[in-house]
Amino acid sequence: DQQVKQNSPSLSVQEGRISILNCDYTNSMFDYFLWYKKYPAEGPTFLISISSIKDKNEDGRFTVFLNKSAKHLSLHIVPSQPGDSAVYFCAASANFGGFQKLVFGTGTRLLVSP
Amino acid sequence: KAGVTQTPRYLIKTRGQQVTLSCSPISGHRSVSWYQQTPGQGLQFLFEYFSETQRNKGNFPGRFSGRQFSNSRSEMNVSTLELGDSALYLCASSLQGGNYEQYFGPGTRLTVT
Repeated sequence: DQQVKQNSPSLSVQEGRISILNCDYTNSMFDYFLWYKKYPAEGPTFLISISSIKDKNEDGRFTVFLNKSAKHLSLHIVPSQPGDSAVYFCAASANFGGFQKLVFGTGTRLLVSP
Repeated sequence: KAGVTQTPRYLIKTRGQQVTLSCSPISGHRSVSWYQQTPGQGLQFLFEYFSETQRNKGNFPGRFSGRQFSNSRSEMNVSTLELGDSALYLCASSLQGGNYEQYFGPGTRLTVT
């Protein structure tokens, strides 16, 4: 049972335009959400996060939106740059069995073309 | 500050063999988590160690095991390798684990033939 889903395996956008990556989750116990970026041959790197008490968090070109009622979060990258081309993973955290546990989605490959 | 290191980076094994992967976390980090990444499956959580104790475990068979040493370094062992174990194995460290920001190593690419 995939509790965190990224239904778009890939996304292509032009440089300068907005990239929107989506993520859905099924468990209402998740209370903290993160986005990671992964380049080939490297481990994922933390990008931005949001707590369930907020609905928006912004860091430079990156903004994460959280819609708790829809159990949906999205990552907006504006403007997109070729260096943003990578695989993006969303992750959700909740307390399961007394400990915080992080569940990752399957990833979306973003390609930003010049 | 040095990042998370994993050794070896690449490994080729045959079915039935066993393998041990190593992870050195960032200095001061006490939590080490292991993940398996395969195409289409994302990052599947294997287990987390905190202060030498396994604190969390994912849904993997008992062939997958791990341990953590007093210096927070961790090892992961897979016994009786199967073709389906071919994957990128990632280690991540954090101060406390859970929803704290995790820092990933570059991974070990395991190929089982």
